[in-house]
Amino acid sequence: DAGVIQSPRHEVTEMGQEVTLRCKPISGHNSLFWYRQTMMRGLELLIYFNNNVPIDDSGMPEDRFSAKMPNASFSTLKIQPSEPRDSAVYFCASSFGTTFFSPLHFGNGTRLTVT
Amino acid sequence: AQTVTQSQPEMSVQEAETVTLSCTYDTSESDYYLFWYKQPPSRQMILVIRQEAYKQQNATENRFSVNFQKAAKSFSLKISDSQLGDAAMYFCAYTGTASKLTFGTGTRLQVTL
Repeated sequence: DAGVIQSPRHEVTEMGQEVTLRCKPISGHNSLFWYRQTMMRGLELLIYFNNNVPIDDSGMPEDRFSAKMPNASFSTLKIQPSEPRDSAVYFCASSFGTTFFSPLHFGNGTRLTVT
Repeated sequence: AQTVTQSQPEMSVQEAETVTLSCTYDTSESDYYLFWYKQPPSRQMILVIRQEAYKQQNATENRFSVNFQKAAKSFSLKISDSQLGDAAMYFCAYTGTASKLTFGTGTRLQVTL
């Protein structure tokens, strides 16, 4: 079990640039979650997918944020254009079923810095 | 909406001693799960322990145990025989039928010699 794999581990970009964060969930898991962690707001759920379908994207802060899950083994979170206030650690997590039944397994996160 | 509150931003414990981290939550649901996650400096989120609301027996995992008080909506984590490796941020989390994991703000635990 390789765990949830996120890339890149660190990303530094300039304001206005497009940023793409990537996630490979654990094989066999059918739910995938994107979280954002900041000092001010803690851990916030941005969006989650079940069987590759977005179920709840109410946490996505603005239209600048978009997420896709083209297949069961890959998801992206895109920010376009990026802003300094998007600086945070972005976590991807996966589970089998839903969190109600099974715990989330988190990746190591991507630390995004927008200058 | 469900909320999770951790009122202790920081706690400190001496090695080999016992420490209890507090968590309260608010929900109108009767069936739900509660979790404690550990986030060491490596920043990975690690599941420590989980509790199903309909189970009255408190969950235990080696040196980690919980005190689950459903009526009081309280879910504290007890760490026995604290070790240096226990130093981390600890997050309490809730999930219910909406299947969204809601986190508290975290408690930073320091372990001293």
